[in-house]
Amino acid sequence: SYVLTQPPSVSVAPGKTARITCGGNNIGSKSVHWYQQKPGQAPVLVIYYDSDRPSGIPERFSGSNSGNTATLTISRVEAGDEADYYCQVWDSSSDQGVFGGGTKLTVL
Amino acid sequence: QLQLQESGPGLVKPSETLSLTCTVSGGSISSSSYYWGWIRQPPGKGLEWIGSIYYSGSTYYNPSLKSRVTISVDTSKNQFSLKLSSVTAADTAVYYCARLHNPHKTTSGYYFDYWGQGTLVTVSS
Repeated sequence: SYVLTQPPSVSVAPGKTARITCGGNNIGSKSVHWYQQKPGQAPVLVIYYDSDRPSGIPERFSGSNSGNTATLTISRVEAGDEADYYCQVWDSSSDQGVFGGGTKLTVL
Repeated sequence: QLQLQESGPGLVKPSETLSLTCTVSGGSISSSSYYWGWIRQPPGKGLEWIGSIYYSGSTYYNPSLKSRVTISVDTSKNQFSLKLSSVTAADTAVYYCARLHNPHKTTSGYYFDYWGQGTLVTVSS
C-alpha cells in the first residue's frame, strides 16, 4: 500500500516560515491534502488539491507538490498555528485513503 | 452548514462488536457528489482511514481492517454506520466520521472536508 512519510516534529520561531514535508513515491502525480489538528479537536482541512485553501484559512498557509515530496508552508507563523499537521492522499490504485504519520509543529 | 455527529457506546468489551452511527444534518447523504467515511485515532497517535461509502452502498475498506469492518448507509435517516468486529485493546481510539469530496473528479483527488467532533471508544473488560 502507498506510504506517506512526515517528520515527527518541526520547530519554528514566531514570525518565521515553517515547512512541513510529506514524502511518497511519485507523490507529485497525486493530489495532496493537509489537515491541522489541535489538541482535543477534530482535524481541519487547511490545503486541498496540493495548494488550494478552503474559505477561512489564512493566506499564510500554502502548499506545493512535486516529484517525491509535497510541502505545507506556513508563513509568518503565529502561536495559534501550533498543532499536529497531517498530509493525505487517495491512492486510486487500491482505492484507499492514506494519511501521513503527522508532524507536530512547535512555535518556540 | 453541514454537521456530522457520531454516536454509540463509549465502552466495548474485547471480542465484541463496536457499532457507531454518524448522523448528517444540513445536507443530504444521498448527494451524488460525496462519499462518507470513518477515520480513527488511537490515543497519542496518528489518523487511520477505516473505510468509505457512497449513498448507493458502494464501499471501500482499509485492507488491514477489511475482514472485521462493515460500513452501511441509511439514506432515509441520513445516517451511515460502522461495525468493527472482534475488537481488542488496539481498537481503542477516537472515531471520526467525515465527508469525502472530490469536486475536480480526479482519480486521486478525494479529501475530507467536513468532520464530526469524534467519539472515544475504549475496549476494555
